[in-house]
Amino acid sequence: GIQVEQSPPDLILQEGANSTLRCNFSDSVNNLQWFHQNPWGQLINLFYIPSGTKQNGRLSATTVATERYSLLYISSSQTTDSGVYFCAVDWETGNQFYFGTGTSLTVIP
Amino acid sequence: DTGVSQNPRHKITKRGQNVTFRCDPISEHNRLYWYRQTLGQGPEFLTYFQNEAQLEKSRLLSDRFSAERPKGSFSTLEIQRTEQGDSAMYLCASVKQETDTEAFFGQGTRLTVV
Repeated sequence: GIQVEQSPPDLILQEGANSTLRCNFSDSVNNLQWFHQNPWGQLINLFYIPSGTKQNGRLSATTVATERYSLLYISSSQTTDSGVYFCAVDWETGNQFYFGTGTSLTVIP
Repeated sequence: DTGVSQNPRHKITKRGQNVTFRCDPISEHNRLYWYRQTLGQGPEFLTYFQNEAQLEKSRLLSDRFSAERPKGSFSTLEIQRTEQGDSAMYLCASVKQETDTEAFFGQGTRLTVV
């Protein structure tokens, strides 16, 4: 199957700081999504971004499919941004989503 | 549309008992996925349905696990003779169609086997 690697594994930020999370994948993909897992375990959709750049408030994401990576930018971080961020890819020749191991973000006041 | 719904949210069971979880996908979504997530890991694929047909199963899905989607709407995941290693969060996701592959996940069912 496809390999999905996320970095960094853990990140601690002061409130108001900016951060960049990275997702590398090993093969061509149909779809790439970024999720935020809340403390209760639910995966909240952030971006559906197989290619290009999207922005939603303080968050933005860029996927460069030809180079097999995606970046999630968080600006002016808030304590409510804390949690685990997952990247998931839908393999071009497969029928399932492959998840990375996540980046655990802690924003301290 | 209220999103993907999973029941129950939490389940505590004794080792050896059978458990069943339910997932109601977003209406008109024809693909439904089951994933399992253990502590500190990303979700791992278990199985998926295209309408009522179960098209792929992971090797993680042992003989004790069975999933159904009888009318192409809701799905159930049953675990027979539960073991402590089955303790995990079980997540369900739905996708509208092959050309629109954005996945939406439910709140999950957290299973604890004691």
